Amino acid sequence: AQTVTQSQPEMSVQEAETVTLSCTYDTSESDYYLFWYKQPPSRQMILVIRQEAYKQQNATENRFSVNFQKAAKSFSLKISDSQLGDAAMYFCAYRSALANFGNEKLTFGTGTRLTIIP
Amino acid sequence: DAGVIQSPRHEVTEMGQEVTLRCKPISGHDYLFWYRQTMMRGLELLIYFNNNVPIDDSGMPEDRFSAKMPNASFSTLKIQPSEPRDSAVYFCASSFGLGQGAGELFFGEGSRLTVL
Repeated sequence: AQTVTQSQPEMSVQEAETVTLSCTYDTSESDYYLFWYKQPPSRQMILVIRQEAYKQQNATENRFSVNFQKAAKSFSLKISDSQLGDAAMYFCAYRSALANFGNEKLTFGTGTRLTIIP
Repeated sequence: DAGVIQSPRHEVTEMGQEVTLRCKPISGHDYLFWYRQTMMRGLELLIYFNNNVPIDDSGMPEDRFSAKMPNASFSTLKIQPSEPRDSAVYFCASSFGLGQGAGELFFGEGSRLTVL
C-alpha cells in the first residue's frame, strides 16, 4: 500500500518570504499523480497543484511550485512571496495512475500547518 | 457548477441517534468519495463509488456506518447508532476517473458532526 509522509507538523514564514513544505511517499508503481491540497480555516479542501509522475518538468501555479524528485520519492511544495491568505493546513496526496478498480482513491499525508507572520 | 454540496454543515446529536449526511457531487463526475477528518487520525477514506457502485468500503469503521448512492447526483452516509467517537468532519468529494483531470478531487465544505 502506498504511504505519504509529511514530517513537518507546523511551519511558519515571514510574509513575502519563501517557504518549502516537505512530502515523501512510498510506492512500487511507476505511474501516478501527486497533489498538494490546501485547507484554510474555512475547512474546504482546495487543490493547489498537481504533478504527473511521467512528467519530468516540475509543476508551477503562480507563486506555487513543486520540486519533484521521482527517484527519491520526494514531492516538496515551494510557496514564494508568502501572503497572509496562504495560512492553512497543507496536505500532500498520492493517487495511482493505473486504470484498475481500487486505484482511484487518494492517500493523504498528515498535513503541515503553515502560519504566515505579518 | 455549484461544486460539491454537502448537508448539513453542522450536526449536533446525542449518542444513539441516527445521523444522515448528504452529498451532491459535481455533475458529470463519475467518482464519489467519503472522507472523515479527525485530529487524531487525519483524513481517512471511508468509502468510494464509481458510477454509483461502491468500489471500496474497507475504510468504513463498522456496521454502524453505511453509505448509498442511489443515483449519479446524490449520496448519503448514515451512522446508526451514533457514538461520541464518531465526532469528526465528514467530507464528500467527487472527481473524474480517467483522462485529463483524473484524480483531482473536488471537495465539499464538510459536515461537522458532534455526538454528545
